[in-house]
Amino acid sequence: DTGVSQDPRHKITKRGQNVTFRCDPISEHNRLYWYRQTLGQGPEFLTYFQNEAQLEKSRLLSDRFSAERPKGSFSTLEIQRTEQGDSAMYLCASSALRDTMYQETQYFGPGTRLLVL
Amino acid sequence: DQQVKQNSPSLSVQEGRISILNCDYTNSMFDYFLWYKKYPAEGPTFLISISSIKDKNEDGRFTVFLNKSAKHLSLHIVPSQPGDSAVYFCAAPYRTYKYIFGTGTRLKVLA
Repeated sequence: DTGVSQDPRHKITKRGQNVTFRCDPISEHNRLYWYRQTLGQGPEFLTYFQNEAQLEKSRLLSDRFSAERPKGSFSTLEIQRTEQGDSAMYLCASSALRDTMYQETQYFGPGTRLLVL
Repeated sequence: DQQVKQNSPSLSVQEGRISILNCDYTNSMFDYFLWYKKYPAEGPTFLISISSIKDKNEDGRFTVFLNKSAKHLSLHIVPSQPGDSAVYFCAAPYRTYKYIFGTGTRLKVLA
């Protein structure tokens, strides 16, 4: 049973560059989530997919951020024109759609740590 | 507005003793809660959950207690082991799919 995987694990970039992260969820998980975690904080919700449909975007996700899940399997998160404030850990999670929230649990990947210089 | 709060950023406990991690919430609509554990350079790992129809849920050394009237939950680890040293987050689903996390408590279990 492979868990959620993310690539790359670390990314260092210069301000103004574009970066793209990939997330591969647990096989057959319908729901996929992106979170961002900064130092001293808990993960903060960014966006959520059910299959290939992006159903919600947080106001934290500015116009420079875009996420896709083209075939309902893996997802990508792109940040354009990166800023130093984008430095954070970007976490992906997935869950299987169930009838109630009590039966769903989000499983997280190892994260991509982004440093914008 | 921090709807889920963990007011203790850190906690140190001797090996073999009980660790108690606390979490408070403000949104009375929350009716399901989860605890995650996070090691450095890894993503959060699901630990245990509780729904509001219960006031206690136990899984091995881990027990979560829920006090709805006080909007408070706690995670008890007995006995604590050095491998339990990690950051612990409580979380609550908002609109089913969006988890709201606390800021975490760093637990250090001393050998």
